Amino acid sequence: GAGVSQSPSNKVTEKGKDVELRCDPISGHTALYWYRQRLGQGLEFLIYFQGNSAPDKSGLPSDRFSAERTGESVSTLTIQRTQQEDSAVYLCASSLEVVPGLANTGELFFGEGSRLTVL
Amino acid sequence: AQSVAQPEDQVNVAEGNPLTVKCTYSVSGNPYLFWYVQYPNRGLQFLLKYITGDNLVKGSYGFEAEFNKSQTSFHLKKPSALVSDSALYFCAVRDGYAGNNRKLIWGLGTSLAVNP
Repeated sequence: GAGVSQSPSNKVTEKGKDVELRCDPISGHTALYWYRQRLGQGLEFLIYFQGNSAPDKSGLPSDRFSAERTGESVSTLTIQRTQQEDSAVYLCASSLEVVPGLANTGELFFGEGSRLTVL
Repeated sequence: AQSVAQPEDQVNVAEGNPLTVKCTYSVSGNPYLFWYVQYPNRGLQFLLKYITGDNLVKGSYGFEAEFNKSQTSFHLKKPSALVSDSALYFCAVRDGYAGNNRKLIWGLGTSLAVNP
């Protein structure tokens, strides 16, 4: 597609339920990031996929969080046994590797986010 | 270790006046530097980047930023602020020679309020 697509845009769930968030990156983008943003706050890094390298999972806050990416395509972020503190907007971004002097390389393209509310 | 600092949580400026949003960084190699903007209830949008070349980088919406290696800074500037520039601004950096670790490091953001 033309941009990064995330679904669902809004998700309301009950505490203890599992949720799955989906990200469709821009075609051909080798890097994919998941971030969490609480209201009025900065970006909290969750996980980073870069091509065929092992993902950087250093930002996942607990073992309830996991993410997968198949090749250079769709990624899913799964939160098991959701808690109220998981409520936030989950942002996905993708990028090409930097090519000096070439536009649209290196910069992240963000989706509109998935707003998760855990009751 | 890589880091980014945005020393001001909030910047207030009158419409028509110049604005500056500050960013300093620390990386072990040559930096790749980025500015992003987040308008209320929207996703983040890329503004500009410094990879190599001219220290003064021009980007979207009339914004520019100057890479200063000696001061390890990459301040965002605009000659004449608009009310519509009011938003949250994020600076980000990565090490240009970090091999497979190309993860971006983000500042905490600066809220810009432009008053009519």
